[in-house]
Amino acid sequence: DQQVKQNSPSLSVQEGRISILNCDYTNSMFDYFLWYKKYPAEGPTFLISISSIKDKNEDGRFTVFLNKSAKHLSLHIVPSQPGDSAVYFCAASAEGTYKYIFGTGTRLKVLA
Amino acid sequence: DVKVTQSSRYLVKRTGEKVFLECVQDMDHENMFWYRQDPGLGLRLIYFSYDVKMKEKGDIPEGYSVSREKKERFSLILESASTNQTSMYLCASSLMNTEAFFGQGTRLTVV
Repeated sequence: DQQVKQNSPSLSVQEGRISILNCDYTNSMFDYFLWYKKYPAEGPTFLISISSIKDKNEDGRFTVFLNKSAKHLSLHIVPSQPGDSAVYFCAASAEGTYKYIFGTGTRLKVLA
Repeated sequence: DVKVTQSSRYLVKRTGEKVFLECVQDMDHENMFWYRQDPGLGLRLIYFSYDVKMKEKGDIPEGYSVSREKKERFSLILESASTNQTSMYLCASSLMNTEAFFGQGTRLTVV
């Protein structure tokens, strides 16, 4: 059973516009959420995180929103740049469990 | 600069071989992880370790084992490689409830 779901396998956005990547989870014990970016043949790199005590966290062009009641988080990238083209994974963990559960990823393509 | 280093970028092994994938981190992290990435399946956790000599199964441990004799090193062992273990293997490390840092990945092909 997939506890972290990214239902959109791919997304295309024009350069300069907003990219919105979505993630849903089923486990109400998750209390820490992360977004990673991955280029081909490289390991994922950490982008931004949010704990369950917040509903928004911002870092430069990246903002993560958390809706606990809907068990939904989203990553907003504004403005999108061609270098943002990559696969984006959301991940979640529950306190005391040590491990991170990842979604299946969304491939973002930013068109110049 | 934080670093997680995997011993090989690319490996080709024969079916039935015993395969060792090595991972070293220099951040004094307690937790270390092995994931595999497959198209359409995302990153799936194979094993993780929260301390030296401690290990726990992830979601897909079958056909794998791990070893953590030192804090900085976490090894993944494929006891008898099979073609369905052809994949990208990713090692990561973290402190508790903070982001995990990943290595560059090992692309393993079993023929």
